[in-house]
Amino acid sequence: QKEVEQNSGPLSVPEGAIASLNCTYSDRGSQSFFWYRQYSGKSPELIMFIYSNGDKEDGRFTAQLNKASQYVSLLIRDSQPSDSATYLCAVRNTDKLIFGTGTRLQVFP
Amino acid sequence: DTAVSQTPKYLVTQMGNDKSIKCEQNLGHDTMYWYKQDSKKFLKIMFSYNNKELIINETVPNRFSPKSPDKAHLNLHINSLELGDSAVYFCASSFRTSGGAWEATQYFGPGTRLLVL
Repeated sequence: QKEVEQNSGPLSVPEGAIASLNCTYSDRGSQSFFWYRQYSGKSPELIMFIYSNGDKEDGRFTAQLNKASQYVSLLIRDSQPSDSATYLCAVRNTDKLIFGTGTRLQVFP
Repeated sequence: DTAVSQTPKYLVTQMGNDKSIKCEQNLGHDTMYWYKQDSKKFLKIMFSYNNKELIINETVPNRFSPKSPDKAHLNLHINSLELGDSAVYFCASSFRTSGGAWEATQYFGPGTRLLVL
């Protein structure tokens, strides 16, 4: 079992819709959870992090964490074509970030 | 004023050669990392240094040797390059604390695209 699992996609959504990206992790001792966005040919950039159960909102982005289910998600409201990228879920365990393989999101006009 | 910088950006070389990649951060962080991203876009930690001390050493061939002259710099030297070393190598930095998640946020450099022929 992979430590951090994501559906590779592509996830295709129309402009203006809500995109829902999901991630599961195997280590119950994981401490905090990150969502990075990576455009093609670029480096990962942090969108947001979460470490408490529940929802955390930042602009059009909402991260959701359920530690009992070992599940973290990212919702993108009012999706824009500029949101088209690969979204990497990362889980922190002590000093390490363990990344998922990423979900490719395509937002079409 | 780039926060995390890497040189070179592109590296094309022959099998068997030795090459180095340099990384510098001006964020005042005490911890730096090397990641490898393969052709399937999987990003995997290789090494991490905290205040010049090696704290993470994943299962990486001995041909890869990191070196941290100070906490703002982390270099990666690769001996006897192989075809399978072709990938994008990212440097990252963060604070190392047991505090809140923001302190563990890692900031990535632009990457070094290595192609071994």
